[in-house]
Amino acid sequence: GAGVSQSPRYKVAKRGQDVALRCDPISGHVSLFWYQQALGQGPEFLTYFQNEAQLDKSGLPSDRFFAERPEGSVSTLKIQRTQQEDSAVYLCASRPTLSPNQPQHFGDGTRLSIL
Amino acid sequence: DQQVKQNSPSLSVQEGRISILNCDYTNSMFDYFLWYKKYPAEGPTFLISISSIKDKNEDGRFTVFLNKSAKHLSLHIVPSQPGDSAVYFCAAGFYGGSQGNLIFGKGTKLSVKP
Repeated sequence: GAGVSQSPRYKVAKRGQDVALRCDPISGHVSLFWYQQALGQGPEFLTYFQNEAQLDKSGLPSDRFFAERPEGSVSTLKIQRTQQEDSAVYLCASRPTLSPNQPQHFGDGTRLSIL
Repeated sequence: DQQVKQNSPSLSVQEGRISILNCDYTNSMFDYFLWYKKYPAEGPTFLISISSIKDKNEDGRFTVFLNKSAKHLSLHIVPSQPGDSAVYFCAAGFYGGSQGNLIFGKGTKLSVKP
């Protein structure tokens, strides 16, 4: 498809396990963002990539969260030693250029549940 | 503290009437604002945006108004249709810094009744 693709759509993990969430942005999009959306809240910024460079990771809640985009296309968000408060929908968005004037296009998210 | 606030969790309107969704913000340095629409189990979809130097932007049935002195913006949908029923998020951003990560409100759930 032509949109942002995220996998898996749903992930259930036990507390303490590591998880990896994948994002396939729209082909050719330079900018890539990760957001976390808790129940009843709006999306909250986690991290931003320009091509393969991670330019901003100020929103990552702890050092258990790690994101990468090694070839400037697919990105992976990894959460180590998951905790119950990590349960949320994780949204990925991409944007064609560096210009903030262009809107971000979101995927459908990965719903993460930590038991 | 929330920089972008949507104080109405829900709104119900009759089909064909106007829907007005409101958003307040606290940071006068925001450079632009956007509205996104979200259906259940889907990601947010971009609707319309407005630069901080403008006070109105229109796209079909959707119009966004910006009142900088009041730090308030609103989204008008005319006429409302049942397919407009969704959660609407207001978001704001800066041109500099992180190249455009967005700050979102909590959303308003719009129900348009036939």
